[in-house]
Amino acid sequence: AQTVTQSQPEMSVQEAETVTLSCTYDTSESDYYLFWYKQPPSRQMILVIRQEAYKQQNATENRFSVNFQKAAKSFSLKISDSQLGDAAMYFCARNNAGNMLTFGGGTRLMVKP
Amino acid sequence: KAGVTQTPRYLIKTRGQQVTLSCSPISGHRSVSWYQQTPGQGLQFLFEYFSETQRNKGNFPGRFSGRQFSNSRSEMNVSTLELGDSALYLCASSLAHRWSTEAFFGQGTRLTVV
Repeated sequence: AQTVTQSQPEMSVQEAETVTLSCTYDTSESDYYLFWYKQPPSRQMILVIRQEAYKQQNATENRFSVNFQKAAKSFSLKISDSQLGDAAMYFCARNNAGNMLTFGGGTRLMVKP
Repeated sequence: KAGVTQTPRYLIKTRGQQVTLSCSPISGHRSVSWYQQTPGQGLQFLFEYFSETQRNKGNFPGRFSGRQFSNSRSEMNVSTLELGDSALYLCASSLAHRWSTEAFFGQGTRLTVV
């Protein structure tokens, strides 16, 4: 089975500081997409950032950036200048056939004021 | 533009009953996927519908079924409910069936089986 693993069940960061969430995945394909989703207490999954596997350049979206290591099958999320509103569950995911996503177990991020 | 709408938001059912959940995708989106989220198993893919056809199916028993209508709205049905079916059911809509298309999620339906 192709899996996605998030080894940090919980992380904590001080407001305005930087935190990195880890993700590793398993795949036998060469082309695929990787995603980070945020799930706040409202439960709605929100796409944070997306990476295309064939692109070597790491994706960035404002304060969010990824470190994509294709050979190591690693896809970490860096949040800079953390804000209280960043507190949520974060899920790493990769696509399979069609729009099917395989998710990791999630990392709960707490932001301390 | 309106987002993905799931109804109802909360549901309590008794073991053995059946339940139907509804998902209205973003206007113009033709792909709808369903996921089950539980504390023990995490987020698991149920199935995907595109243009009224099931395109992918996850590893769930036949008690879980779904369909999509011509207006792209989708329903999922769970028959003979079990306690373990208690979960948050999330629906996601996408513009197309292509795997690079971004998925937009609804707020989910919280199903409790007693």
